[in-house]
Amino acid sequence: EAGVAQSPRYKIIEKRQSVAFWCNPISGHATLYWYQQILGQGPKLLIQFQNNGVVDDSQLPKDRFSAERLKGVDSTLKIQPAKLEDSAVYLCASSLATGYNSPLHFGNGTRLTVT
Amino acid sequence: GESVGLHLPTLSVQEGDNSIINCAYSNSASDYFIWYKQESGKGPQFIIDIRSNMDKRQGQRVTVLLNKTVKHLSLQIAATQPGDSAVYFCAGPIIQGAQKLVFGQGTRLTINP
Repeated sequence: EAGVAQSPRYKIIEKRQSVAFWCNPISGHATLYWYQQILGQGPKLLIQFQNNGVVDDSQLPKDRFSAERLKGVDSTLKIQPAKLEDSAVYLCASSLATGYNSPLHFGNGTRLTVT
Repeated sequence: GESVGLHLPTLSVQEGDNSIINCAYSNSASDYFIWYKQESGKGPQFIIDIRSNMDKRQGQRVTVLLNKTVKHLSLQIAATQPGDSAVYFCAGPIIQGAQKLVFGQGTRLTINP
């Protein structure tokens, strides 16, 4: 089973620039998540999709972050404009369903550095 | 809101010894927890999970213990190996099947030869 694919692996931008991350979940997984992981901390949920609908985006800074999951498969996360505090690893995860016995499978993340 | 936290940010053990990583949670309605392992440069990897109707669950070299009375769970790794070096996260709660994971801060496990 192929895992969750993310690109790019690394990205360095200047503050106020824009950036986009891409995620391809495990085939057949209906639920997709974007997490932000700041150095030394646990992952924090930004947004959760069920198929192509948003389930939870309560912690997404909507003034600068946006995400979409067209056709219920791939997803992109965008930041515009970036701030220094956005420097983090952005993790995409997918699961077959939500709830019990459906653990998250994570990609290896995109490490973003904002200078 | 709910919180899930780990007791120690770092843990150092000798190769071959057993490791115990602890985690506390705040919501007594929590009924499902997951332990993840994160190696450097990689995403978190599922290790083992446990539902609140269980006190203990065993996997390959790992055991999770759940104490609902004090809202505490632990991950025990038997005969720790160099490949066990990683950051370990407990994640929860999941209440009534809703997938709303909150991750703790993580414990970095270091194996001494």
